[in-house]
Amino acid sequence: DAKTTQPPSMDCAEGRAANLPCNHSTISGNEYVYWYRQIHSQGPQYIIHGLKNNETNEMASLIITEDRKSSTLILPHATLRDTAVYYCIVRVNTNAGKSTFGDGTTLTVKP
Amino acid sequence: DTAVSQTPKYLVTQMGNDKSIKCEQNLGHDTMYWYKQDSKKFLKIMFSYNNKELIINETVPNRFSPKSPDKAHLNLHINSLELGDSAVYFCASSTSPLELFFGSGTQLSVL
Repeated sequence: DAKTTQPPSMDCAEGRAANLPCNHSTISGNEYVYWYRQIHSQGPQYIIHGLKNNETNEMASLIITEDRKSSTLILPHATLRDTAVYYCIVRVNTNAGKSTFGDGTTLTVKP
Repeated sequence: DTAVSQTPKYLVTQMGNDKSIKCEQNLGHDTMYWYKQDSKKFLKIMFSYNNKELIINETVPNRFSPKSPDKAHLNLHINSLELGDSAVYFCASSTSPLELFFGSGTQLSVL
C-alpha cells in the first residue's frame, strides 16, 4: 500500500467546511484513496473512496488531484459530532490487500 | 440490530491466561477481519477470512488463533497472554474491500 501523509491535527469552526488534506505521492494506478474516521471509543467508520474522479456522498466530498498524488476530504458543514480522527488510506481494491490505518488527522470542531 | 458485534467490550486478565473474543456480523458479508489498535492509536490488520478461509495472516504471534465457524462469525483466541497484548481489538466485515464495517472494539488489559 502507498504511504500517506496527513497533518496530525486540525481545528474547524462548527458550521464551516472542514478540508482535510492527504498526500500520497507514491500512489500506483490501481490504488484507491479511501477515508475512514474514528470517533473516540468507537470503531472506525467508512466515509468515502475514489480512484480518479471526485466523489460525493451524504457524508463528504473527496477531491483527488489530477496527478493523484494528493487528495482532500471535505466535510461541507462540520458539526461537533464530526470531531474524530480521520484516516486517509491508499490501497488496491482486492481482498488480499492489506489495510493499515496510520496516524491520521485529529479534527476538532469547535462551537 | 447491530451490524458487527463483538464481545466482551472489556476484558481484564492476568498474564499467562487464555482468552477469546467473539465477533458476529449480520450484514451477510463474505469477508471478516481482526484489527489491533495499540496505545498510539495505530490500527493494524491481523487476520482476514473470506468465506471461512484465511486470506490474510500478518506477522502475528502463533498465540493468536482466529477461528471462523461460519462466514458470519470470526472469533479470536489468544493463548498465554502477555503484557504487550494489551490493546483494543476490532472486528470488521465487508463485501467490498474498500468499505469495512467495524465493531465497537474489545479493550483488552493484561495485568
